[in-house]
Amino acid sequence: ETGVTQTPRHLVMGMTNKKSLKCEQHLGHNAMYWYKQSAKKPLELMFVYNFKEQTENNSVPSRFSPECPNSSHLFLHLHTLQPEDSALYLCASSQDGSGSGTDTQYFGPGTRLTVL
Amino acid sequence: GEDVEQSLFLSVREGDSSVINCTYTDSSSTYLYWYKQEPGAGLQLLTYIFSNMDMKQDQRLTVLLNKKDKHLSLRIADTQTGDSAIYFCAERGYGNNRLAFGKGNQVVVIP
Repeated sequence: ETGVTQTPRHLVMGMTNKKSLKCEQHLGHNAMYWYKQSAKKPLELMFVYNFKEQTENNSVPSRFSPECPNSSHLFLHLHTLQPEDSALYLCASSQDGSGSGTDTQYFGPGTRLTVL
Repeated sequence: GEDVEQSLFLSVREGDSSVINCTYTDSSSTYLYWYKQEPGAGLQLLTYIFSNMDMKQDQRLTVLLNKKDKHLSLRIADTQTGDSAIYFCAERGYGNNRLAFGKGNQVVVIP
């Protein structure tokens, strides 16, 4: 596997379910990100982890709970979601998250989430 | 705050050139990026430009940056059907790992 992978690619869940999204990067990066992509809206940054520590939470509701056990893996735990949470959830990684140099972000293919 | 604007739709014939435009508001932007998103896929980095450059060419792609007007464009030469996608510009300030994205510009290539 190369690059950034995400599983599952598609997920349908009810509002009372609990599920988790997984992201793995094989680039040796130290920063990982969760984004939400909704129709007709710009990408919204949700969380940033740098060297396993959360450095940014962009006012995300507590029904979204991130976890970063190591620099290669990032999870997004979901519980009691709302239909408006249906979106494409994208994971990205970058070298060190410092914003210095190019620190280019590389994206995974996303998980298409539908909340019924 | 950061704000990135893009027009929404462009239709182009195969073999022609296509130009996608983007404007941004953050004058402290240091890096500006172009990403491509094909249907059902994530964002693929196409190219980026540092703010002290006016132009960058990478094979069929030419990026032009007008820092005074905060205007960024992406020109795709000899557009192919595989170029049909949504193109996002994004900007980032120095020492800031936040990317501000535009809403994207859908390019449809007509054979």
